[in-house]
Amino acid sequence: EDQVTQSPEALRLQEGESSSLNCSYTVSGLRGLFWYRQDPGKGPEFLFTLYSAGEEKEKERLKATLTKKESFLHITAPKPEDSATYLCAVQAGGGSNYKLTFGKGTLLTVNP
Amino acid sequence: DADVTQTPRNRITKTGKRIMLECSQTKGHDRMYWYRQDPGLGLRLIYYSFDVKDINKGEISDGYSVSRQAQAKFSLSLESAIPNQTALYFCATSNRIDQPQHFGDGTRLSIL
Repeated sequence: EDQVTQSPEALRLQEGESSSLNCSYTVSGLRGLFWYRQDPGKGPEFLFTLYSAGEEKEKERLKATLTKKESFLHITAPKPEDSATYLCAVQAGGGSNYKLTFGKGTLLTVNP
Repeated sequence: DADVTQTPRNRITKTGKRIMLECSQTKGHDRMYWYRQDPGLGLRLIYYSFDVKDINKGEISDGYSVSRQAQAKFSLSLESAIPNQTALYFCATSNRIDQPQHFGDGTRLSIL
């Protein structure tokens, strides 16, 4: 069974204080790993897709990296508007390749 | 206008009532999905459809049914609502298996 574990559950940062969120996964043949951002009262908003170990993607203050067992979302010099819940999801290859398995998310709060 | 629109955004109803949640999309995607989100459990797949003639059960389909009326429309029904179906419900679409899913802003459903 595919599993995704995100840590920490909650993270509080000061503005400008860089940090990383972790997504550990077990999956039968990774087809893709997806990062989403979710604001209160909104649906998840797509951020990145990573397909193979060693791959990196960047967008503004966010950088996602992937190894064979985990992914990191690095946040550099965060701002209060980066406060949100960050979700990680994996998609397996093979017969169940329709399915995204989501982690429970990391609630990030950035204080001014 | 939103690419994935869900109606209603909020609904309060009573146990035993039949409820329909609707989803429409302007992204031109063939694949559509229904998820529920519960605190501490993350997003879980209820049903998915890869085209108008294709409907499949997800991991938690009991108590739910769906209808794919057109490429752009996918409805979720609760035939006889029960309190433990109180949750946030999200519709999502995707273009291909390995492409990210794009979510609507959800329906907050409360069953008393």
